[in-house]
Amino acid sequence: EVQLVESGGGLVQPGESLRLSCTASGFIFSKSFIHWVRQVPGKGLAWVSEINSDGTYKAYADSVRGRFSVSRDNAKNTVYLEMNSLRVDDTAMYFCARVNWSFSSIGVAETFDIWGQGALVTVSS
Amino acid sequence: QSVLTQPPSASAASGQKVTISCSGSSSNIGKNYVSWYQQVAGTAPKLLIYDNSERPSEIPDRFSGSKSGTSATLNIAGLQAGDEADYYCAAWDGSLSIVLFGGGTKVTVL
Repeated sequence: EVQLVESGGGLVQPGESLRLSCTASGFIFSKSFIHWVRQVPGKGLAWVSEINSDGTYKAYADSVRGRFSVSRDNAKNTVYLEMNSLRVDDTAMYFCARVNWSFSSIGVAETFDIWGQGALVTVSS
Repeated sequence: QSVLTQPPSASAASGQKVTISCSGSSSNIGKNYVSWYQQVAGTAPKLLIYDNSERPSEIPDRFSGSKSGTSATLNIAGLQAGDEADYYCAAWDGSLSIVLFGGGTKVTVL
């Protein structure tokens, strides 16, 4: 079965750290781009971070740059999101997703075709 | 505040058609492909439409997408109770070099 499974969510205090894992199965993980998207309860989707297939390219939203770090271990079919200096406004459900990316003369296509079930991160004192 | 603008809600009677708009700019929808996602309450988003109008094989043809200029549209025909969900558009933004999501539209079946 093609799937992504997140783990590592939980309740932490402001300023603390947490590491989320996203483990894949059912597809060739080592050729896949993986993104993180978060959703504050009751709100919309917001892109957080991405990593390319071999880990040589990483990108972050302005709101998390310098605090969050994405990495991957293709031998374990797993992507990690290391979250440091967590703030109350980082409270959200965090989804990992496989993204198909293509570029042509017509434009860029970025398609989130497989999503994990999400990991809830709560930052509260 | 999302750069891609969607109406917060849309509704129609069972069996009827609902249309959801997604408005952007020349740096995102105007130059790149649009995808659409369905999120039923309490679940993860699910891909509905990619490359403006293509459907994954498991998505029924009641769902269709289109794009014109800097706007995109999702149509849901033959509305069913199971279609009640939040719907999000998304597109790459060349100026920001990130993917943008719309604010989401909650569809209610009357």
